[in-house]
Amino acid sequence: NAGVTQTPKFQVLKTGQSMTLQCAQDMNHNSMYWYRQDPGMGLRLIYYSASEGTTDKGEVPNGYNVSRLNKREFSLRLESAAPSQTSVYFCASSERGGGTLTYEQYFGPGTRLTVT
Amino acid sequence: AQSVAQPEDQVNVAEGNPLTVKCTYSVSGNPYLFWYVQYPNRGLQFLLKYITGDNLVKGSYGFEAEFNKSQTSFHLKKPSALVSDSALYFCAVRDIGNRDDKIIFGKGTRLHILP
Repeated sequence: NAGVTQTPKFQVLKTGQSMTLQCAQDMNHNSMYWYRQDPGMGLRLIYYSASEGTTDKGEVPNGYNVSRLNKREFSLRLESAAPSQTSVYFCASSERGGGTLTYEQYFGPGTRLTVT
Repeated sequence: AQSVAQPEDQVNVAEGNPLTVKCTYSVSGNPYLFWYVQYPNRGLQFLLKYITGDNLVKGSYGFEAEFNKSQTSFHLKKPSALVSDSALYFCAVRDIGNRDDKIIFGKGTRLHILP
């Protein structure tokens, strides 16, 4: 049981390049999330997915796209990377909440992205 | 929209002393509240959560948190700090009034336990 896995662990991009961050979970969770962590800013939600086939914008979605490929996988794509997207990116998953239900999140180890 | 404030960027506590990490929140409905811990170069780990019921919630590693609705606070506490508690701590909130499952985090508080 690996939990939440993310690839790659590190990446350096030039401005304008594109890339996809991969995330997978093996806990059969319905909800998945992408956050970015910046010094002094905490974690900010980029996108989330309550179930396979659905995605919703979070606090800072501009410059990103996501795909919920299936129940296990949730990818984050940067179409044209900018230096402002230099950050550590975390994927998380949880049982599906909503209404009166809510559950804790399980986080991956993170991807450290530098855009030059 | 829901929001979370952690007013202290850093908290220093001597080993063996009690510790408190502060968190206040803002939601339109009732809150679900969480605390997470992050060790260097790691992802976040769940510590505890408040859903309903007792205002004092107990969690992992001897931590507890007190929900105070009138003060809209959910402070993290531990009676006796350990050096190994040094880490970055995040408070998070979900607004039960929202149909979705969006969870918003605070900026984090770095806890230093001094030997």
